[in-house]
Amino acid sequence: QLQLQESGPGLVKPSETLSLTCAVSGGSLSSSTYYWGWIRQPPGKGLEWIGSLYYTGSTYYNPSLKSRITISIDTSKNHFSLELSSVTAADTAVYYCVRHGTASDAFDIWGRGTMVTVSS
Amino acid sequence: QSALTQPASVSGSPGQSITISCTGTSSDVGSYNLVSWYQHHPGKAPKLMIYEVSERPSGVSNRFSGSKSGNTASLTISGLQAEDEADYYCCSYAGSRAVVFGGGTKLTVL
Repeated sequence: QLQLQESGPGLVKPSETLSLTCAVSGGSLSSSTYYWGWIRQPPGKGLEWIGSLYYTGSTYYNPSLKSRITISIDTSKNHFSLELSSVTAADTAVYYCVRHGTASDAFDIWGRGTMVTVSS
Repeated sequence: QSALTQPASVSGSPGQSITISCTGTSSDVGSYNLVSWYQHHPGKAPKLMIYEVSERPSGVSNRFSGSKSGNTASLTISGLQAEDEADYYCCSYAGSRAVVFGGGTKLTVL
């Protein structure tokens, strides 16, 4: 059973870069039938897709965040990462890493999520 | 790329059926049969309940069903149970490899 696990700092200062990693266990990132991505949920708000990537390294970002996002993959370590630059309090959220099908675009496997707070 | 529109809350009694709507545009819901629904209990990871408008993943109860008409998708839960109380989110492919979520609906089982 494939599992995803987020890791990274729980507190980031304003204007700095938020960096998270998602470790994949029980399966491989090098699958042609899935994308790997990030979704977040600010406190009291709904889900927001951040972006996704394919095992080849092709990336797809939410237009509203595109200028600040970098998602990358390391197939040798079986993990992928998110960097969000110039963070503000509005970036405080639970961040989930996810797997979604290339055909269905449905997010079928989720990590447990990690809370990131932006505060000085 | 605007969020899909869902009612903020719905409620029903055990055994009843409820329907949650998800309204998008001709650029997302109306153009693609790639609508999915997620159940989210606070503090847990969201769970995929419906994909491709009306398909159920293995292990999801057949009390959950999905449909679509024009720019509006719907999730119906029949035979409501206490454990169905959760937040529900719709999601649609929006072209150019982007997806958009709805604002979420809080389901209360009375």
